[in-house]
Amino acid sequence: ELKVEQNPLFLSMQEGKNYTIYCNYSTTSDRLYWYRQDPGKSLESLFVLLSNGAVKQEGRLMASLDTKARLSTLHITAAVHDLSATYFCAVVGGTYKYIFGTGTRLKVLA
Amino acid sequence: DAGVTQSPTHLIKTRGQQVTLRCSPKSGHDTVSWYQQALGQGPQFIFQYYEEEERQRGNFPDRFSGHQFPNYSSELNVNALLLGDSALYLCASSQGQGPIGYTFGSGTRLTVV
Repeated sequence: ELKVEQNPLFLSMQEGKNYTIYCNYSTTSDRLYWYRQDPGKSLESLFVLLSNGAVKQEGRLMASLDTKARLSTLHITAAVHDLSATYFCAVVGGTYKYIFGTGTRLKVLA
Repeated sequence: DAGVTQSPTHLIKTRGQQVTLRCSPKSGHDTVSWYQQALGQGPQFIFQYYEEEERQRGNFPDRFSGHQFPNYSSELNVNALLLGDSALYLCASSQGQGPIGYTFGSGTRLTVV
């Protein structure tokens, strides 16, 4: 059974700092997604990564994928308070379902 | 362009009761997937519907059942509710198996007391 692990689970950081969230998965997959979730809200799609070496950037967030290492990273540059949320990675498990990671709860302190 | 619509947004049920949640997919999408997200956890796959049939199922008991209608909308039914069924239920729509991924609805918060 495909397993997806994220670390850290909780992250408290100062505004202006950089940090990276890691997503490891246990078997091969050709697609990886990153989502953002605000408290009590649904999931907002951030990135879809489709191939080894793929890199996507949007604002202060950059995601990358290394399929050989079965690792994706979500890098936060110069964090701002508005980035406070829970971030999930999800890997396609089998043909039809996503397996979500445990989530990383990010709190950016002013 | 309407996104994924779920109803109701919140509901409270008593143990042993039955509940039906509804989902209308995004325009142009023909596949509906349901996920359960317990508090503080990642979403877990319940099942997926395509062409009015259940295409794949996650590790959920038979108390969880679903249906897809010819207009691609879907229902999730849960019988004999348990306290542990309390969660946010998310519907996600997509077009076939395309790589662009899901569009998620805003979810239904179910509380079982």
